[in-house]
Amino acid sequence: QVQLVQSGAEVRKPGASVKVSCKASGYTYTNYYTHWVRQAPGQGLEWMGWVNPNSGATQYAQKFQGRVTMTTDTSISTAYMDLSRLTSDDTAVYYCARVAGGYKYDFDSWGQGTLVTVSS
Amino acid sequence: QSALTQPASVSGSPGQSITISCTGTSSDVGGYNYVSWYQQHPGKAPKLMIYEVSNRPSGVPDRFSGSKSGNTASLTISGLQAEDEADYYCYSYAGSYTFGVFGGGTKLTVL
Repeated sequence: QVQLVQSGAEVRKPGASVKVSCKASGYTYTNYYTHWVRQAPGQGLEWMGWVNPNSGATQYAQKFQGRVTMTTDTSISTAYMDLSRLTSDDTAVYYCARVAGGYKYDFDSWGQGTLVTVSS
Repeated sequence: QSALTQPASVSGSPGQSITISCTGTSSDVGGYNYVSWYQQHPGKAPKLMIYEVSNRPSGVPDRFSGSKSGNTASLTISGLQAEDEADYYCYSYAGSYTFGVFGGGTKLTVL
């Protein structure tokens, strides 16, 4: 069955960086883009960007431009999301989700989420 | 890009029907048939309930249906059940520059 398994919770100080991983299984990894979505405590979902595992191409939401890097290692079917210059506003659960290639724009499977806490 | 507009909360009794609206603009909801809906129970990851405005993934009960008129998409749940109590989010493709935007979320309470 399709599974997206994310790395564990992280605590960082303001100004630091964090890297979250998302390991895929149960499907052909290169047929799906990996997207990242975050959810601050008690808040709604926020789309952050995507990475194409075939080409390494990325697109980021304007809000995160210059601060986020999304990469992928096809040899181990794993995507990564690196967020730098963290502030307390970045405290959130970060989810990875897959989207089929081509003209598809829905997230049909999600990781379990990774809580990132930014605190001094 | 502003979030799509959803009501903060809706409620209904078991067996009743409810509708959740999701209002955007001609640059997102109104411009593409790529609206999806997600159900999220507390502490859980979101789950896809409707894609491309009105399509249900395998395994989603046919009590869930979606539609769109102009810049507003809607999710209707008929025959409400206790397990439907959750937060619901809409999402729309918004073109190659912005790409995608979520609604603010709606808390459904089953009375």
